[in-house]
Amino acid sequence: DAGVTQSPTHLIKTRGQQVTLRCSPKSGHDTVSWYQQALGQGPQFIFQYYEEEERQRGNFPDRFSGHQFPNYSSELNVNALLLGDSALYLCASSIDRRSGANVLTFGAGSRLTVL
Amino acid sequence: GENVEQHPSTLSVQEGDSAVIKCTYSDSASNYFPWYKQELGKRPQLIIDIRSNVGEKKDQRIAVTLNKTAKHFSLHITETQPEDSAVYFCAAVITGGGNKLTFGTGTQLKVEL
Repeated sequence: DAGVTQSPTHLIKTRGQQVTLRCSPKSGHDTVSWYQQALGQGPQFIFQYYEEEERQRGNFPDRFSGHQFPNYSSELNVNALLLGDSALYLCASSIDRRSGANVLTFGAGSRLTVL
Repeated sequence: GENVEQHPSTLSVQEGDSAVIKCTYSDSASNYFPWYKQELGKRPQLIIDIRSNVGEKKDQRIAVTLNKTAKHFSLHITETQPEDSAVYFCAAVITGGGNKLTFGTGTQLKVEL
């Protein structure tokens, strides 16, 4: 079991550009969440996808968008990049359980640097 | 929305000593509290969690306590070892239909020989 895999691992963009990050969830997981972790900070929730729809969203602007595919993999898109978007982007997968807590499994992250 | 505060931001202990990290949360609806360990350049790893119907949970050298009335929960590591050195994050979750984690700001634990 490869766990949660993310690509690319590192990338550098310039202000105003667009970026797409990809995530494959752990086998058997159907829910994907994205988090932004700035240097020295805790992860901040961006949004969560389940059944190919955005189910919950954190306090992030519309420049941040996503998608979930029928095979449960997911993409995070960020448009009009700002310097402040530089961060580690973490994908986490889980099994949806309407009752009880969903234990998250995190990927290794994609390190985005905006120049 | 939920807000989680975590203290201290850095903690240095001697090998073999105990370490305690404390968190408070604001939303009384939160009912699940996981703790993650993140080593430099690596992904967060779940080390222990506790649900709101339990006051304490222990797993070998690690324990977590929860005080729902005060909205406090704490991580206790006994007999610390150098490999315990990492950043530790607490989180609070309102379960059911989403399970968004609200993280604390992290505690850099350094275990010195």
